[in-house]
Amino acid sequence: KNQVEQSPQSLIILEGKNCTLQCNYTVSPFSNLRWYKQDTGRGPVSLTIMTFSENTKSNGRYTATLDADTKQSSLHITASQLSDSASYICVVTPNNNNDMRFGAGTRLTVKP
Amino acid sequence: DTEVTQTPKHLVMGMTNKKSLKCEQHMGHRAMYWYKQKAKKPPELMFVYSYEKLSINESVPSRFSPECPNSSLLNLHLHALQPEDSALYLCASSQGTGHNSPLHFGNGTRLTVT
Repeated sequence: KNQVEQSPQSLIILEGKNCTLQCNYTVSPFSNLRWYKQDTGRGPVSLTIMTFSENTKSNGRYTATLDADTKQSSLHITASQLSDSASYICVVTPNNNNDMRFGAGTRLTVKP
Repeated sequence: DTEVTQTPKHLVMGMTNKKSLKCEQHMGHRAMYWYKQKAKKPPELMFVYSYEKLSINESVPSRFSPECPNSSLLNLHLHALQPEDSALYLCASSQGTGHNSPLHFGNGTRLTVT
């Protein structure tokens, strides 16, 4: 069973709208959680990284939150743009090694 | 543009061919990785090189053979592949292999095996 679960699997929104993507994990002990954006046919690009003690981290219109107690993270996208259409992957790293656990990703489509 | 460069961008090969994928980074990173990604799936780790030595092989079939000629280069030699090996092959690098070293990915090589 994957230790990182993302929801929804796919999402379609209209340009200008906000959306929130979810990531639940069971990786323990936990070191950090990263959100990556992957455009079709390209490599993933890091958006945010949060450690155990951080609750929120912003990168422009992207805001990630982390609740280490419930082992949940979310990625909120504000005022979506067509270029936000991509897969968003949650990656959790254990505390004792760099064996990163990838979620299956959420495929976001922003329509005009 | 990514700081990890992969060539070629696309590759079509037959099951009897021998080909190589190449990856290059000049960020001084000491760890390099090969990932395989099927459509609509997350990347799956294949190999990790740390300080030019193979440190992790995730039980990858021998038809995939990695090589790290120096700290900036990583190759993946392909031989006698199967159609199910068709995928996006991603190279990544990181400063080290510690848990705080983020991965920097290349844009991948789209491989099709016919």
